[in-house]
Amino acid sequence: QVQLVESGGGVVQPGRSLRLSCAASGFTFNNYGMHWVRQAPGKGLEWVAHIWYDGSNENYKESLKGRFTVSRDNSKNTLFLLMNGLTAEDTAIYYCARGSGYEFDYWGQGTLVTVSS
Amino acid sequence: EIVLTQSPGTLSLSPGDRATLSCRASESISSSYLSWHQQKPGQAPRLLIHSASIGATGIPDRFSGSGSGTDFTLTINRLEPEDFAVYYCQQYGSSRITFGQGTRLEI
Repeated sequence: QVQLVESGGGVVQPGRSLRLSCAASGFTFNNYGMHWVRQAPGKGLEWVAHIWYDGSNENYKESLKGRFTVSRDNSKNTLFLLMNGLTAEDTAIYYCARGSGYEFDYWGQGTLVTVSS
Repeated sequence: EIVLTQSPGTLSLSPGDRATLSCRASESISSSYLSWHQQKPGQAPRLLIHSASIGATGIPDRFSGSGSGTDFTLTINRLEPEDFAVYYCQQYGSSRITFGQGTRLEI
């Protein structure tokens, strides 16, 4: 069965960086585009970034471009999100999701990032 | 960026009722680009409907979607206790993905 397991979240000071990981299993990882979606406490869902199945192209929420970088290692079935210059507004649960066509057909359980001094 | 506006913000119904949730886009989108997700408290979202009207794998047939252009609807027939959750519509246009703000379906 498809499984997506995020890790790397935690408490980080403002201005610092953090790298999240998403370990995928149960499907052929290098056949699918992957996404990151976040959810601030008590708020709705916000799409963050997308990377093509082969890593050849990336797309970002406009306001996060230049600060966030999505990447993947298809040999290890793992997706990454590098977040720089973190602020309190980046505090959220970060989900990875598998892209299928124009939707997310599987979601991970998420990892919580808290930006606080 | 395409803005999705969901209504109502909160919908209060009883088990056995029918729920009708609306999602309006700020500009016309292809039906292929419109999906619905369900999120229960403390859980990750789950895909319910894609391409506006196609049920995802394992989704009960009491969930149905419809619409085109700028107006889309999620209908849930014969509400079950486990259906009370938050529902989000989502669109995928020009590689910029957006979600609606959500509709909370409460008992």
